[in-house]
Amino acid sequence: DSGVTQTPKHLITATGQRVTLRCSPRSGDLSVYWYQQSLDQGLQFLIQYYNGEERAKGNILERFSAQQFPDLHSELNLSSLELGDSALYFCASSAGGGTEQYFGPGTRLTVT
Amino acid sequence: EDQVTQSPEALRLQEGESSSLNCSYTVSGLRGLFWYRQDPGKGPEFLFTLYSAGEEKEKERLKATLTKKESFLHITAPKPEDSATYLCAVQEDQKLVFGQGTRLTINP
Repeated sequence: DSGVTQTPKHLITATGQRVTLRCSPRSGDLSVYWYQQSLDQGLQFLIQYYNGEERAKGNILERFSAQQFPDLHSELNLSSLELGDSALYFCASSAGGGTEQYFGPGTRLTVT
Repeated sequence: EDQVTQSPEALRLQEGESSSLNCSYTVSGLRGLFWYRQDPGKGPEFLFTLYSAGEEKEKERLKATLTKKESFLHITAPKPEDSATYLCAVQEDQKLVFGQGTRLTINP
C-alpha cells in the first residue's frame, strides 16, 4: 500500500459527459501528479501540483483540468468525454519535485 | 524530449532462471532513473532510484544498475510472484518519462 488513495476505482460513463476523479496524497507529500495509462500510449504525464499551485503540465487536453485543495487532495476533471479517453488514470505523490513518486491504485474510466 | 526504451517487450522465464531487463535512455543531464513494478490493473509500485553511473541498488531478488546510457534490472532465481510488468522512467523537469515496460512471466 503506497499511502496514496484514489476514488472511484471504476467509472463508466457516456460520451459527452463530465467526471471528477479524486486523489489523496501520502501524508506529508506536497506534490501531486496525474498520469494517464492506455494500452497504446503507456503511462503519460498530465499535470503536477505542488502545495496548491500548478507546477508542470504535460500533454493534457484542454477538456481536462485539475486542482489541488488546501488539504492537499487533488481532483482531475474530465469533460466532453470521448471514447478515446477510456484509460486508467493514476495519481502519484512525492515530497517534492525530484524525488520518487508513489502511485495510487488508479481509476479505470470507461467511456461508452 | 527525453526518450526511454525498454527491451525486451516481453520475457518468459522458468522459475529459478536468472535474466536481465534493459532500459536505455537519452536525456540531457540525468536527474534520476526510476524502476517500478506494475501488476495488471494496479498502480506502479516504486522499486529503485538511481542517480549516477556505477550506482547499484538491491532488493530481494532484484538488482538495478546504471551506466551513462542504460540501466539494467537483474533478476536472480525468480519466482512466479515476480511476474509483472517492470517500468523504467527518467526524470525530466518535474515529471517522469516512462518506457513502455517489459512484461515478465515466470513459469513454475
